[in-house]
Formats: sequence, structure tokens, C-alpha cells
Amino acid sequence: DIVMTQSPDSLAVSLGERATINCKSSQSVLYRSNNKNYLGWYQQKPGQPPKLLIYWASTRESGVPDRFSGSGSGTDFTLTISSLQAEDVAVYYCQQYYSTPRTFGQGTKLEIK
Amino acid sequence: QVQLVESGGGLVQPGGSLRLSCAASGFTFSDYYMSWIRQAPGKGLEWISYISSSGSSIYYADSVKGRFTISRDNAKNSLYLQMNSLRAEDTAVYYCARDGPGSWDGYNDYWGQGTLVTVSS
Repeated sequence: DIVMTQSPDSLAVSLGERATINCKSSQSVLYRSNNKNYLGWYQQKPGQPPKLLIYWASTRESGVPDRFSGSGSGTDFTLTISSLQAEDVAVYYCQQYYSTPRTFGQGTKLEIK
Repeated sequence: QVQLVESGGGLVQPGGSLRLSCAASGFTFSDYYMSWIRQAPGKGLEWISYISSSGSSIYYADSVKGRFTISRDNAKNSLYLQMNSLRAEDTAVYYCARDGPGSWDGYNDYWGQGTLVTVSS
């Protein structure tokens, strides 16, 4: 199984500042034949289901604000929120869908400083 | 608009069975792979199973293999999860989720609100 490890486990950022969450996979999730990274990012607010933010490591889902961006390739990935808003307080998860089982990171809790 | 509505959760004794359903609407259900993902109370997300659009391809996490069965009825726009030999560690909110539009698009772009399964005596 591919193990997904996020860092940090929790993060406190001031409003308007940048937030960065890292995700590392135990093996590459880059499929060389199509040059796609099989990596997604989700946001989960309390009492709600997860919401897809980013897929293919860097493609923003429709309707997601452009302050959210994804980057990285192979085994190392980053979710960046360029200017933190109050409504961004949530737990963020990365997930690989390169192989089954489709594993998630443990989650990163983002709070306002 | 896409809607996924789970039902069938509840309290069950260890060793018991439960069948979850997920009613889909707002999209052509038969065109999409579907998944079940669960979340134990206060914990992270655990993918447990997916089924291809036709139902011919199915995968399970090791934690549920041999105990859970995923199925679908494209005529009824419904996804199911038959859960047998339930254990305390199966206690979780179970989410039904739609996979992306392509056969290899294993991300989940729509999720239901979830249904709580509690396994306890």
C-alpha cells in the first residue's frame, strides 16, 4: 500500500497570510505514460463531508477559489492557500488514486492564529 | 445538481449485518465509478471500496475484504454496501462518493452527507 504522510499535523496562520501543507507518498504516484500525478486534495469542515479542491496534483476543481493551488510531482506535493480567509478553517487531506487501496494522508488541521 | 443521499445506518451488535444504500441523482449514474469511504469518530478518512460503472470491476480495502460487498443497480441509480460480521472498529460515518469522469479518475468529486454506523453491544 502507498502510505501518505502529511505535514504538519496542525497549522495556525494569520488571516491574509499564506498557508502551506505538505504531502509525501511512500512511492511515486506519477504515471509516466500520461505524465499525470494521481494525487488529490480535499477540505473537510466540521460536520460536513469532504470537498474536492485539487486533482491531478494541480488542477483546481470548478468553483474552488484561486487562492488554493496544488503543486509537486512524484512523491512530494504541496497545497498552498495564498491568502488565508476565515472560511478556510478546516482539516485538509491528500489522497493518492494511483493504486488501490486509495490511501489518504492523516489530515492537517488548519486554524487561524 | 448532483446529489448523493446515503441511508441504512444505525446501531448494530458486533457480528451483525447492515446494508447501506446511496441514492444518486443529477447525473448519469451508469457512466460513473462509485466509491464508499468511511470516517471513524474524530479520525481521518479511509477508502474502503469502489465499483466500476458497469459493476464488473470491484476493489476492497483489506480491512473489509471478505466481510463487505459493494454493488450497484444502474436502473435504480443506486449504490449499496452490504456489511456483514461487523466489528467495533467498523463504527464510522460512511460516505458514498462519485469518482471522476474517466475510468482512471480515482478522485471523488461529489460526496453524500454520510450515514453513521455504530457497532456496539
